[in-house]
Amino acid sequence: GIQVEQSPPDLILQEGANSTLRCNFSDSVNNLQWFHQNPWGQLINLFYIPSGTKQNGRLSATTVATERYSLLYISSSQTTDSGVYFCAAPTTQGGSEKLVFGKGTKLTVNP
Amino acid sequence: DAGVTQSPTHLIKTRGQHVTLRCSPISGHKSVSWYQQVLGQGPQFIFQYYEKEERGRGNFPDRFSARQFPNYSSELNVNALLLGDSALYLCASSGWSYNSPLHFGNGTRLTVT
Repeated sequence: GIQVEQSPPDLILQEGANSTLRCNFSDSVNNLQWFHQNPWGQLINLFYIPSGTKQNGRLSATTVATERYSLLYISSSQTTDSGVYFCAAPTTQGGSEKLVFGKGTKLTVNP
Repeated sequence: DAGVTQSPTHLIKTRGQHVTLRCSPISGHKSVSWYQQVLGQGPQFIFQYYEKEERGRGNFPDRFSARQFPNYSSELNVNALLLGDSALYLCASSGWSYNSPLHFGNGTRLTVT
């Protein structure tokens, strides 16, 4: 099945810094999702991005499907950006679709 | 509109017991999926249900079962609990399309002692 790898596993920033998180996937995908999991466990959709670039405030994401990777950019980071960022790619199994998650990037933003 | 709701939020059980977790999808969503997330890992797929039928099952033992009701809500049942079943259990709903994003609930944190 599809493999999803994220890097770096851990990232520590000072407030105001920018960062780039990477997600590599082993097979072609027809969509790619980025999530933010806060310290309370809430898994929040950030982007649904099969290809191209999307922006939402200080966050943006780019997926290059032909090269099997996606990038999440965080600009002017804030302490509330702390948490774990996951990317997930779909794979079909019989009549169902499941998301395969990477192991995540744990981001800590210090004041 | 309300998001995906799960209950209970926290649960403590002892080994060998049984547990039932509940999930209500976003209004209009007919597909419900369950994921298990152990500490330090990404969520792992357990089940997908659509229109009350099981459409997919992950690599979990038969102690795990689920069902979907006519109102599209869902239950996840785990029998003969083991310590290793301690995890955050996440429910997600989506419209039925391979291009539909998943929306997750806040999860049920299960501790088995």
